[in-house]
Amino acid sequence: GQNIDQPTEMTATEGAIVQINCTYQTSGFNGLFWYQQHAGEAPTFLSYNVLDGLEEKGRFSSFLSRSKGYSYLLLKELQMKDSASYLCAVRDGITGGGNKLTFGTGTQLKVEL
Amino acid sequence: DSGVTQTPKHLITATGQRVTLRCSPRSGDLSVYWYQQSLDQGLQFLIQYYNGEERAKGNILERFSAQQFPDLHSELNLSSLELGDSALYFCASSLEDYNEQFFGPGTRLTVL
Repeated sequence: GQNIDQPTEMTATEGAIVQINCTYQTSGFNGLFWYQQHAGEAPTFLSYNVLDGLEEKGRFSSFLSRSKGYSYLLLKELQMKDSASYLCAVRDGITGGGNKLTFGTGTQLKVEL
Repeated sequence: DSGVTQTPKHLITATGQRVTLRCSPRSGDLSVYWYQQSLDQGLQFLIQYYNGEERAKGNILERFSAQQFPDLHSELNLSSLELGDSALYFCASSLEDYNEQFFGPGTRLTVL
């Protein structure tokens, strides 16, 4: 099975940088995804890592270390609209597992002035 | 707007009833996924279909069933509803069996 841990809440200041960590323990691993979800809305895809290292996409970057079972999402130049829940999700690496994602419970980020 | 559509947006029903949730994937996507999101459980994977065939299964209750039709739309059937089934039900789709998933707006189910 999969076990995914993320901090429950974080607070940061507009214009600053924030790092949201995710650790996972899996019986198989085939990629890690980050999604953003505003309250009552659909999750939206942010980033994907399958190999170790950093993936950069505008103000958002995501890092993966497979040996440590660790990922982080880095958000730069924070804006008020970035206040949302950030979900870490691991794809099952077991043969026949399809594209099943196991989600963490999410980190609720609050951006303040 | 992800391009995934779900109907209805809201559904209120009574315990013991049966409901059907409908999902149309993004144009060209072959895979459809169903997730349940409740306050205490987070986002839980239910089932995946790929081009009409069941591809992966999560902890989906026996009272729940799904299918994907030849036009690739999907339906999730929930029967013998219980209070605990109240949740947001999301459908997602992806191009193939391994790409990032794009989520629809969800159906909010309330069981009274």
